[in-house]
Amino acid sequence: QQQVKQSPQSLIVQKGGISIINCAYENTAFDYFPWYQQFPGKGPALLIAIRPDVSEKKEGRFTISFNKSAKQFSLHIMDSQPGDSATYFCAASKVIQGAQKLVFGQGTRLTINP
Amino acid sequence: DGGITQSPKYLFRKEGQNVTLSCEQNLNHDAMYWYRQDPGQGLRLIYYSQIVNDFQKGDIAEGYSVSREKKESFPLTVTSAQKNPTAFYLCASKRTVNQPQHFGDGTRLSIL
Repeated sequence: QQQVKQSPQSLIVQKGGISIINCAYENTAFDYFPWYQQFPGKGPALLIAIRPDVSEKKEGRFTISFNKSAKQFSLHIMDSQPGDSATYFCAASKVIQGAQKLVFGQGTRLTINP
Repeated sequence: DGGITQSPKYLFRKEGQNVTLSCEQNLNHDAMYWYRQDPGQGLRLIYYSQIVNDFQKGDIAEGYSVSREKKESFPLTVTSAQKNPTAFYLCASKRTVNQPQHFGDGTRLSIL
């Protein structure tokens, strides 16, 4: 119940296309769903996040779609650019004894071809 | 500039040796975390600390130890009991419960 399953493992998209990464969870206690972007040799950086009372959140070219009943959420990158090539992680969070604990998906390596 | 500094960037361990990874933050964050990242896997939680002089085990704490003597510092020791220590180690911090975690740029540990 602590797992977050992420797919696909790798994704190749042409420049200007839409990149879509999917995640699914089982534990309904999760209350915060962030996406992180990681470049080689760097730590993950928060990209966008959503709470389960909202079905969609958009920030620039990045959109999270959230389906609470299906326990799924996805990241859409519109007009994908070569600079978006990175590894993306979804995560789910819940608070245990006052501490936020994040459970991460396995990651998706995204390559945008010019 | 405020941020999280991890050092060294690369570290090599000999068999039977303990090594300590440094994590310092000047963000005035209360909570700090250590994660391990292996190829093709997500981040897994090793230890976390919500306040000074207090810390809790995460999902894979065996073979690791931590201390939190100062708010800005949360060093991780990889002991000789950790039989598979080769990985990318990430430190994170956050201000309060409803704030996101911010990550350092990691330390890559390898075995000689």
